Amino acid sequence: DAGVTQSPTHLIKTRGQQVTLRCSPKSGHDTVSWYQQALGQGPQFIFQYYEEEERQRGNFPDRFSGHQFPNYSSELNVNALLLGDSALYLCASSFRDTEAFFGQGTRLTVV
Amino acid sequence: AQRVTQPEKLLSVFKGAPVELKCNYSYSGSPELFWYVQYSRQRLQLLLRHISRESIKGFTADLNKGETSFHLKKPFAQEEDSAMYYCALNFRGSTLGRLYFGRGTQLTVWP
Repeated sequence: DAGVTQSPTHLIKTRGQQVTLRCSPKSGHDTVSWYQQALGQGPQFIFQYYEEEERQRGNFPDRFSGHQFPNYSSELNVNALLLGDSALYLCASSFRDTEAFFGQGTRLTVV
Repeated sequence: AQRVTQPEKLLSVFKGAPVELKCNYSYSGSPELFWYVQYSRQRLQLLLRHISRESIKGFTADLNKGETSFHLKKPFAQEEDSAMYYCALNFRGSTLGRLYFGRGTQLTVWP
């Protein structure tokens, strides 16, 4: 089991563009959560997906949206990118209320 | 509002010395507290959670509801303990996917 895998590992986008980040959960996990980690800060919760629906959402604008597929993999989409969206984006998967496992993250740089 | 505070951004100790990483939280309900660790070039991983009352890699943490603290302690630090440590909080009864993180403490253990 490769654990939680995220792609791509690094990404550079221009302000105003749109980006899609991908996450494959650990085998057997059905819940995916996304976090944003700015430099020098702890991860901040964006939203969580379960049974292909957004179950919880943090304090992020509607420019941040997501999707979960029947195979439990997930995408994070960010529209109209701002310089402040530059961060490490982490995906975490879990099975119901068990421990959340994190991926290595996608480093997004907006120029 | 929920908040997790880790007052020390950096902490350095010598091998064999005791180490304590501080974590304070503000939450009016019943929290679940966690410590996550990130070793160099590795992903974020769970170190311990307060309800387990375990000792992992020699680390322990006790939830003090009176002081709203969840400090991480180890009596004899080892060089391999050098890492970034994050304290995190979850609502009791909520899913484990949604975590509120502190900003982290970078621990360096000198030989």
